[in-house]
Amino acid sequence: DAGVTQSPTHLIKTRGQQVTLRCSPKSGHDTVSWYQQALGQGPQFIFQYYEEEERQRGNFPDRFSGHQFPNYSSELNVNALLLGDSALYLCASGSDNEQFFGPGTRLTVL
Amino acid sequence: AQSVTQPDIHITVSEGASLELRCNYSYGATPYLFWYVQSPGQGLQLLLKYFSGDTLVQGIKGFEAEFKRSQSSFNLRKPSVHWSDAAEYFCAVGEEGGSYIPTFGRGTSLIVHP
Repeated sequence: DAGVTQSPTHLIKTRGQQVTLRCSPKSGHDTVSWYQQALGQGPQFIFQYYEEEERQRGNFPDRFSGHQFPNYSSELNVNALLLGDSALYLCASGSDNEQFFGPGTRLTVL
Repeated sequence: AQSVTQPDIHITVSEGASLELRCNYSYGATPYLFWYVQSPGQGLQLLLKYFSGDTLVQGIKGFEAEFKRSQSSFNLRKPSVHWSDAAEYFCAVGEEGGSYIPTFGRGTSLIVHP
């Protein structure tokens, strides 16, 4: 049983560009959440998708958007990249009382 | 709003020594509490969780944690640390009855000396 998978593993972009990160949830999970983990910090909640709708959102600007597909996989899009967007982006899937995390995508903005 | 404080940024222990990582939370109702571990270049792995019942919770890899409501604490312990335990440890609090959006502490980095 595959766990949560994310692609790509690493990504380098320049300021102002746009990026798309992808996540496949653990088998049987229909809820996907995205987190941003800056260096030396704990993960911060970006948003959560359920039934292809954004269910909850953290304190992130509209430059951060997402999508969930009918097969429950999800994308995180970030527009107009800033240097401060450099971080590890984690995807998690799960139930109401436990989340399973993927290995993350390391985004570097130059 | 819920919050988590991990007061120790780094903890250094010798292999075989006991370990306690501190976690304090702020939340008005009964919290869901979690400890996660993150090895370099890896995602987060759940060590243990507390929802209700026995306040001493057993987890994987020989870890345990004790919920103390009076102190708003959920400290993680291990009686004998192994070199492979070196990693980043995150405490998190979730909302009871919610759609489970955990709030994480900033983490404690565990260094294990041989």
